[in-house]
Amino acid sequence: GAGVSQSPSNKVTEKGKDVELRCDPISGHTALYWYRQSLGQGLEFLIYFQGNSAPDKSGLPSDRFSAERTGGSVSTLTIQRTQQEDSAVYLCASSSLGTSGNSYNEQFFGPGTRLTVL
Amino acid sequence: GQNIDQPTEMTATEGAIVQINCTYQTSGFNGLFWYQQHAGEAPTFLSYNVLDGLEEKGRFSSFLSRSKGYSYLLLKELQMKDSASYLCAVKDRGSTLGRLYFGRGTQLTVWP
Repeated sequence: GAGVSQSPSNKVTEKGKDVELRCDPISGHTALYWYRQSLGQGLEFLIYFQGNSAPDKSGLPSDRFSAERTGGSVSTLTIQRTQQEDSAVYLCASSSLGTSGNSYNEQFFGPGTRLTVL
Repeated sequence: GQNIDQPTEMTATEGAIVQINCTYQTSGFNGLFWYQQHAGEAPTFLSYNVLDGLEEKGRFSSFLSRSKGYSYLLLKELQMKDSASYLCAVKDRGSTLGRLYFGRGTQLTVWP
């Protein structure tokens, strides 16, 4: 019964470098979400996966951001040519879709990856 | 779009009661969530309201008025461990299943 895990917990990179952030959702959860939390801001939706497909990518801020999910489980968020404004905490969440009778699809969050771009 | 508004900061003393308000504007309301987030940790689910009225869960209660676009989270018998950020989030009927729109969070500090 492990929760959502994310790695790394902290990432410091130089401007212009690429980074990859990983999310391991709760086993059996078909829905997976990526959010970004900047200092003093609310959680900002980035992308949603249902299984391996992403029906909603509308929150990705630019084409430098991409994400994939394989095997209906692990997801990777990739940021290319990082910029200082990309510095934030990147949170992943997962939820089941009614398998437990939970009609409100509670999202379970991981601890986040704190990204700092120098 | 969606506008979710909540106070930035609140303070209270141990044992007291505090009410954190949230107002929202959305084109198709489909539920409101409250999450608690301690510094450096993941947000954790507190409550969900989709119908008008009060939902009580131990020391925490959440209220919703859909006609007013208003919710509040009520915390009773405050404890030091309740110091955290409280996030109001709305689900929109027209959005992707489960996508949430979050307010900026209310940082609650509980003093002894």
